[in-house]
Amino acid sequence: KNEVEQSPQNLTAQEGEFITINCSYSVGISALHWLQQHPGGGIVSLFMLSSGKKKHGRLIATINIQEKHSSLHITASHPRDSAVYICAVRPLNTPNRDDKIIFGKGTRLHILP
Amino acid sequence: ETGVTQSPTHLIKTRGQQVTLRCSSQSGHNTVSWYQQALGQGPQFIFQYYREEENGRGNFPPRFSGLQFPNYSSELNVNALELDDSALYLCASSKGQGNEQFFGPGTRLTVL
Repeated sequence: KNEVEQSPQNLTAQEGEFITINCSYSVGISALHWLQQHPGGGIVSLFMLSSGKKKHGRLIATINIQEKHSSLHITASHPRDSAVYICAVRPLNTPNRDDKIIFGKGTRLHILP
Repeated sequence: ETGVTQSPTHLIKTRGQQVTLRCSSQSGHNTVSWYQQALGQGPQFIFQYYREEENGRGNFPPRFSGLQFPNYSSELNVNALELDDSALYLCASSKGQGNEQFFGPGTRLTVL
């Protein structure tokens, strides 16, 4: 079982719809990241959070540390939001005390015009 | 402020060859992490360099090695390339450990 699980794996929606992508993890963490990856590979960091909720424009990220769960929401979705959204966690107490990040496999989002 | 850059963008090699990938960290960042992303998968941690020293390593064999230079730029070297090494290689820099990492555009390596 992967330490970071995302759902759904693929999501197709119409422009304007409210989008939710979920992330569950099984390890203790110091922080969780939501990342966006466009075709071609470049990754953009959307949020880094360790508690509560963050909002940036039409994007909202929430985390529940007790339940080991985070969600990424997109309001008023637009075709330019089409990308792979990746959840990644920074575990506590890594063996080498390094800054290792564990990534989920990503959710492929396609917004239709 | 210059972001994280990587070179080359694409590379084709054959089995058994060696490859060097380069990463320039964002201005003011002293930590560089390297990741391998196979097609359809999330990135996997290779190793991290902090102030020119390796600071942790993922589950990759010794033929994956790296360097960090005094200006905090970094290289990833892979010897004896195998077909399964074909992937997108991402580097990310941060201002110290535990802080937000900023990713480069990646180098897509194809091994034939």
